[in-house]
Order: sequence, then C-alpha cells, then structure tokens
Amino acid sequence: DAKTTQPNSMESNEEEPVHLPCNHSTISGTDYIHWYRQLPSQGPEYVIHGLTSNVNNRMASLAIAEDRKSSTLILHRATLRDAAVYYCILRVIISGSARQLTFGSGTQLTVLP
Amino acid sequence: NAGVTQTPKFRVLKTGQSMTLLCAQDMNHEYMYWYRQDPGMGLRLIHYSVGEGTTAKGEVPDGYNVSRLKKQNFLLGLESAAPSQTSVYFCASSPRGPGGANVLTFGAGSRLTVL
Repeated sequence: DAKTTQPNSMESNEEEPVHLPCNHSTISGTDYIHWYRQLPSQGPEYVIHGLTSNVNNRMASLAIAEDRKSSTLILHRATLRDAAVYYCILRVIISGSARQLTFGSGTQLTVLP
Repeated sequence: NAGVTQTPKFRVLKTGQSMTLLCAQDMNHEYMYWYRQDPGMGLRLIHYSVGEGTTAKGEVPDGYNVSRLKKQNFLLGLESAAPSQTSVYFCASSPRGPGGANVLTFGAGSRLTVL
C-alpha cells in the first residue's frame, strides 16, 4: 500500500500562512490525496482532497506536485483554532468500490499568538 | 443534523468483560467504518461495512466483531476485553461515490479503558 510521510511537528505564527508538506512517492494513479485534521479530544475532520489539480476551499488550499509524489496543504492565515494534528492520507481501494483511509501519525501544528 | 453519534463516550471494563459500542449516522451513508487510535498514533481501521448486512475486516480486526443490521447503525463488539484494547474508538461514515473522492465524517470518539 502507498504510504505518506509528514514532519512530526511544525510551528506557525498566528495570521501567517502555513505550508504543511506530505510525501507520497509510491502513490498510484487512482489514489486521491486527502487531508484531515484532528483537534484535541475530537474526531478527525475533513479538510480537503484532490487527485491531480490544485484545489481550493474555504478552509485551505491543496497544491499537488506535477508527478503527484508530494503535496502541500496551505492554510492561508493560521489562527489559534487551527492548532491540530494534520493527516495526509491516500484513499486506497480495499474492496470493490470501498476505500480505506490509511492514517499515518500526522503533523502536529502549533500556532503561536 | 447530528452526523455521526457514538455511544458510550467513556467506558471502563475489566479484563474478560464484553461490551458493544454503537455508532449511528443520519446522513444515509452507505459506508461505515470503525477505527482505533492509540496514544500518539494515527487511526487504524478495525472493520468496515459497504452496506446493510455486509461487513469486512480492516487492518486490525482481531478481538473485535461488528454488525450492520440497519443502514444507519454500525456496532463494534468486544467479546472478551483485553488491556491491549484500551484505546479511543472512532466511527466514521461516507457516501458511495466515484473513485476515491468520497469524504468521511467522523464521530467524536469513545474512550475505552480495560483494566
């Protein structure tokens, strides 16, 4: 199965942009790249996903490398509420049309006031 | 709109006891999943279901059983709890969708301690 690699932790100042990297060098052509985040004592929360093209939504942007072996989650203006563990995940086929999200240990983002 | 609801939120068991965690979703999702999360680690898939009456094993299924008798409910059972099953359990659901795009909605988690 394809795996992802993320830094264990990152720090950012409040109201500054944050770029969270993810390497997925063994990604296959049909794997979607998903990002979820987990706030303290909560379940994971969907952030964004993409296949080949860069994606934007109200929470973040996702920049995908041309060879798809890496991606970057961009938070345009970090707030204290963005402090969380961010997971970069590949959506892997497990059975027919069902997909499994294989979670790694993620990146702990600390936002400094 | 409640989304995904897990009960109970907390439970303490003694080794050898049994219990069932209930997951309920009100989004008419086809797929449901049970994950466990150990301290400082990511989530690992225990079992999943692609529809009512169907279940399948995930990454770490040993010691657990599941049932999906109704589309909206997914039950996770521990027949004989062991200390190694001390963890936070998360249920999730997702709609049937094309490719790998469908998004998961998670519950708030159930913290289980086995003494």
